[in-house]
Amino acid sequence: AQSVTQLGSHVSVSEGALVLLRCNYSSSVPPYLFWYVQYPNQGLQLLLKYTSAATLVKGINGFEAEFKKSETSFHLTKPSAHMSDAAEYFCAVTELSGGSYIPTFGRGTSLIVHP
Amino acid sequence: DTGVSQDPRHKITKRGQNVTFRCDPISEHNRLYWYRQTLGQGPEFLTYFQNEAQLEKSRLLSDRFSAERPKGSFSTLEIQRTEQGDSAMYLCASSFGTQNTGELFFGEGSRLTVL
Repeated sequence: AQSVTQLGSHVSVSEGALVLLRCNYSSSVPPYLFWYVQYPNQGLQLLLKYTSAATLVKGINGFEAEFKKSETSFHLTKPSAHMSDAAEYFCAVTELSGGSYIPTFGRGTSLIVHP
Repeated sequence: DTGVSQDPRHKITKRGQNVTFRCDPISEHNRLYWYRQTLGQGPEFLTYFQNEAQLEKSRLLSDRFSAERPKGSFSTLEIQRTEQGDSAMYLCASSFGTQNTGELFFGEGSRLTVL
């Protein structure tokens, strides 16, 4: 079964600083990979996805992630943090089960942005 | 609002009572998922429907849990004889397409508190 590891339950950055949220997955076969964001009192929404096209994926709000097969990683970055980026971020990987792709989520990383 | 809708948003119940949650997916979406999220954890997969067929169930889904999607539209998740360990956010998500890559559209969740 797939597993997803997100290093750091909390990441704290200053406004304008680089954001780096780490995600590693367990499979050696390139799966579909996702980052979702959850703002307070809202549902999860898709930030970006990797579906075996370009290894550098651009998402909404200036975020991007790079798929590195050799490192089984899919880290999320943003060059300059904004206060509105404060949220919970979840990495997810799909696994084929019974003919369906079922997403497995990491534990999440809470991004804190200081003024 | 054409997003995924969940009802009720909050439910407080006493241990041993039965509760039912409803999910209305995005209208053209044929896939529907239930996840459970506890504090500090990522969403954990419970079950999945394609149209009215329940195709996957997690080991987390004990005999006290049952889910239905009778007409391939809305879905219900019932928990019988609730226990304090059932306290969590129950998330519903939907998706569409002949090849599901795991991109999901989430509702805002139904929070269950078992006293």
